[in-house]
Amino acid sequence: EAQVTQNPRYLITVTGKKLTVTCSQNMNHEYMSWYRQDPGLGLRQIYYSMNVEVTDKGDVPEGYKVSRKEKRNFPLILESPSPNQTSLYFCASSLTSGGTDTQYFGPGTRLTVL
Amino acid sequence: EDQVTQSPEALRLQEGESSSLNCSYTVSGLRGLFWYRQDPGKGPEFLFTLYSAGEEKEKERLKATLTKKESFLHITAPKPEDSATYLCAVPGWGDDKIIFGKGTRLHILP
Repeated sequence: EAQVTQNPRYLITVTGKKLTVTCSQNMNHEYMSWYRQDPGLGLRQIYYSMNVEVTDKGDVPEGYKVSRKEKRNFPLILESPSPNQTSLYFCASSLTSGGTDTQYFGPGTRLTVL
Repeated sequence: EDQVTQSPEALRLQEGESSSLNCSYTVSGLRGLFWYRQDPGKGPEFLFTLYSAGEEKEKERLKATLTKKESFLHITAPKPEDSATYLCAVPGWGDDKIIFGKGTRLHILP
């Protein structure tokens, strides 16, 4: 089944404790992206990747890191999480680079930083 | 600056009461406009892509239209299962960002 998977689905952590949220797609998509969704602010893009080893900042990259060493994986790293990073996070992928194709979203990761 | 604005923020309709959702956009060059549906706690699901002014696409009770400045999502004779948040998005111009509107929360009352 074609899908985007994220792990973990739920995470409660404390300020300053490094964490990684994994994202994997099995559709051989080139474009992958991370979003956060907050009430009243909508979906905001954190980072995106046009292909392996090519990443760029979205609108809200501060406090986050990403890497794209393999085509299928695009982990999101929070080196020192803070309470303002409490949010619902979505990973997405689309077939071609450029952001002009349909995006397929993962199920989401609900992160709480205490 | 590329921007997407959706209105209204929320809409409550009676079952069978048709209406339209609006998505206005500001980008230097449109490379596509996307509509997604999102159920609570789930990832958005693709509905439509529109590429040029005058284009229309339909799916069941939904029809999306596009002009040079905005898109409409028309919902005809909605049912309670159409209740969801509807999002529109455009690719940025000059980079590969994707900009989403804040969405319209649609609630259909039985």
